Amino acid sequence: GAVVSQHPSWVICKSGTSVKIECRSLDFQATTMFWYRQFPKQSLMLMATSNEGSKATYEQGVEKDKFLINHASLTLSTLTVTSAHPEDSSFYICSARFVNEQFFGPGTRLTVL
Amino acid sequence: DQQVKQNSPSLSVQEGRISILNCDYTNSMFDYFLWYKKYPAEGPTFLISISSIKDKNEDGRFTVFLNKSAKHLSLHIVPSQPGDSAVYFCAASSFSGGYNKLIFGAGTRLAVHP
Repeated sequence: GAVVSQHPSWVICKSGTSVKIECRSLDFQATTMFWYRQFPKQSLMLMATSNEGSKATYEQGVEKDKFLINHASLTLSTLTVTSAHPEDSSFYICSARFVNEQFFGPGTRLTVL
Repeated sequence: DQQVKQNSPSLSVQEGRISILNCDYTNSMFDYFLWYKKYPAEGPTFLISISSIKDKNEDGRFTVFLNKSAKHLSLHIVPSQPGDSAVYFCAASSFSGGYNKLIFGAGTRLAVHP
């Protein structure tokens, strides 16, 4: 099946720093990738839809200036959490669309101290 | 406003018995539903789906039932196996969203014990 990777798998940073998370489709090209966020014991919440070659579409309530998304190529999308604060600590998961299915990456756990 | 709800955070079932995971939704525009399975430190993996034109879809040990009038779907696993122990997410999408936007429930942690 289609494989999606994320890097890093976990990151700890100080408050105020920026963190970049990469999402790669390893064996297919994905014109559309998605970024989700999951708080403990809660559902995956769609943050934004990343389209290759165009601006990302953000869901209501998600700050686009804080969560910068760049879909640089058909196999890579990046999420940068700018000026991270403790409340940004969460599990971030990306997915890539292939045919009519979404394939999910393993997730990145961000802890902001 | 939670559009997709999984009211049971956890479920414990004996090996060989049936596991029934439930999911309710509120948005009548949803017309395509999916179940995902998630192991710790891994991303969700697709399990089974159902379109609103059907009321049942079966794939091996997994069967999903959809009751549109009740806005309710359920996943049946029979017989349950220890390897089925994971968190199961229900997700819904709609034609109007291009089936891209998945709305997830909070998940149900299934534990299958010998």
